[in-house]
Amino acid sequence: GAGVSQSPSNKVTEKGKDVELRCDPISGHTALYWYRQSLGQGLEFLIYFQGNSAPDKSGLPSDRFSAERTGGSVSTLTIQRTQQEDSAVYLCASSSLAGPTDTQYFGPGTRLTVL
Amino acid sequence: LAKTTQPISMDSYEGQEVNITCSHNNIATNDYITWYQQFPSQGPRFIIQGYKTKVTNEVASLFIPADRKSSTLSLPRVSLSDTAVYYCLVGRTKAAGNKLTFGGGTRVLVKP
Repeated sequence: GAGVSQSPSNKVTEKGKDVELRCDPISGHTALYWYRQSLGQGLEFLIYFQGNSAPDKSGLPSDRFSAERTGGSVSTLTIQRTQQEDSAVYLCASSSLAGPTDTQYFGPGTRLTVL
Repeated sequence: LAKTTQPISMDSYEGQEVNITCSHNNIATNDYITWYQQFPSQGPRFIIQGYKTKVTNEVASLFIPADRKSSTLSLPRVSLSDTAVYYCLVGRTKAAGNKLTFGGGTRVLVKP
């Protein structure tokens, strides 16, 4: 089936504006993750959704960042009042949690540039 | 989460075998070892995962010694298209709420 998709692929915005990034996980995957990757760096965990449980928001860098997952499927990451340091690639991953371990499947990412 | 240490970069040539060793001295009993590959402008892609001894699939082999304090990813006969960043991760099973913590990875450059 289709993999994880993200939109838009690129987003350029002005400092202070709000942005919404969308993630469509693999159908049937109950777990969904958001990560951030700055240029040349490793991934930074942001937030984790699993089924109907309360999300793990421990990685969100500030209260300007929030995320929702509607109907256990599509997720939206919202960044309010964007700052230049928010510029990065935002990656979404999903997993089925079938079996003992958590193999995550990543989307292509959204490259966010804040001017 | 167990901290991992891996080389920043490695160069190789087409047709050679590439071995990347990752140290994870604080690995816990329930932790699995997973390797991901990331090409430029793409999200990471799962390569291989193991708990102990040796695991092999169509892409790579993973060697894990008995003490599990390190692991080695082996890429046989690399080609130019294997140029990528390779991440070693150590994480717990889904029951413990696994969040992957990616380090800087190893940047592998395959030369002609």
